[in-house]
Amino acid sequence: AQSVSQHNHHVILSEAASLELGCNYSYGGTVNLFWYVQYPGQHLQLLLKYFSGDPLVKGIKGFEAEFIKSKFSFNLRKPSVQWSDTAEYFCSEVTGGGNKLTFGTGTQLKVEL
Amino acid sequence: NAGVTQTPKFQVLKTGQSMTLQCAQDMNHEYMSWYRQDPGMGLRLIHYSVGAGITDQGEVPNGYNVSRSTTEDFPLRLLSAAPSQTSVYFCASSELDPTYNEQFFGPGTRLTVL
Repeated sequence: AQSVSQHNHHVILSEAASLELGCNYSYGGTVNLFWYVQYPGQHLQLLLKYFSGDPLVKGIKGFEAEFIKSKFSFNLRKPSVQWSDTAEYFCSEVTGGGNKLTFGTGTQLKVEL
Repeated sequence: NAGVTQTPKFQVLKTGQSMTLQCAQDMNHEYMSWYRQDPGMGLRLIHYSVGAGITDQGEVPNGYNVSRSTTEDFPLRLLSAAPSQTSVYFCASSELDPTYNEQFFGPGTRLTVL
């Protein structure tokens, strides 16, 4: 079965530290990958997406992700986190012939001042 | 644009009761879906629809029914609530084909079944 794995469930960083959240997908066909973020008390919103082309994708708020096909990975990165980045981050991929979005279990990020 | 709206925001049910979670969008999106969010399990797809009159099952459809009579509305029905359905429910919509398009999520409904 197709699945998305996020191995870091809880991450705590200090402000200005660098961030990398892991995401591995399993679907072997055409990949369509997303990172969504859920800030405390808010609904999910899109950070970035990858369909094809340049494997380094830039999103909002200084986030980026790199698609590495050989590793089935799509890790999220940010060079310097801020307290306002405290949120839950979800990696997802399209499966089921294009009509279903499968989410990982999420990574809870806490940024301390 | 209100985006995606959901009602109610909170609900407490007793086992065996029925209820409908409402979802509406004003972006003329063809694709709509329902997810449940549980701690440590991320979001799991319950049902989805690619247009009025067309619905299909997701990953965890048991215990839930949906219908899509209009483009705007996509209600989720619990016919006989069970404690295992205690969760936060999110509705989402996008342009047809979620392969390439951003999902717009509603604010969620927090449901507790006693």
